[in-house]
Amino acid sequence: SYVLTQPPSVSVAPGKTAKITCGGSNIEIKSVHWYQQRPGQAPVLVIYNNGDRPSGISERFSGSNSGDTATLTISRVEAGDEADYYCQLWDVDSDRLFGPGTKVTVL
Amino acid sequence: QVQLVESGGGVVQPGRSLRLSCAASGFIFSDYAMHWVRQAPGKGLEWVAVVSYDGSDEYYADSVKGRFSVSRDNSQNTLYLQMNSLRVDDTAVYFCAKDGLLLVLGDYFDHWGQGTLVAVSS
Repeated sequence: SYVLTQPPSVSVAPGKTAKITCGGSNIEIKSVHWYQQRPGQAPVLVIYNNGDRPSGISERFSGSNSGDTATLTISRVEAGDEADYYCQLWDVDSDRLFGPGTKVTVL
Repeated sequence: QVQLVESGGGVVQPGRSLRLSCAASGFIFSDYAMHWVRQAPGKGLEWVAVVSYDGSDEYYADSVKGRFSVSRDNSQNTLYLQMNSLRVDDTAVYFCAKDGLLLVLGDYFDHWGQGTLVAVSS
């Protein structure tokens, strides 16, 4: 089965850039999606198909996918960006699979 | 705007059954596949099941296959999850989620409900 890895936590100062990675074997051939989940709330789709942004999502959120790593980048980080972030993809053996999640802390 | 409202959660003993519902509004329900995703307390997200836009296809995570059944009533804009032979490790918040693609089984979720808690305990 396919395995996704994410760092458990990322800390970033306000106004700086946060990069959250999602590792998987040859992940670049897959479409990766990203969700933000604030405490006590439902997840929200922030990036789909590696780098597309749903309507209503800030342009500060961007995504890329190359080699064995997909990356969610949050520019000009704000306090409201503090949340758990999950990558997700579809794999023929593992079906719809989520990464373990990364907790982003704004210092 | 898209609204998804889950109901039917509660406390249930191991081995018993429970049926969850998800009432949808704000979009053409019959045009989209619908999913269930769960989250155990303090844990990450786990995809559970999907039903196609017309109810003709269903797929399940291995962890629930043979015990859970997903269905939909397009005349009532409602999604269901029938959960049988419940186990302690099925304890989780269950979210319904709308598929991101029109008329196909897609692989991402563009709108989510607030979830309903299922607690399996003796």
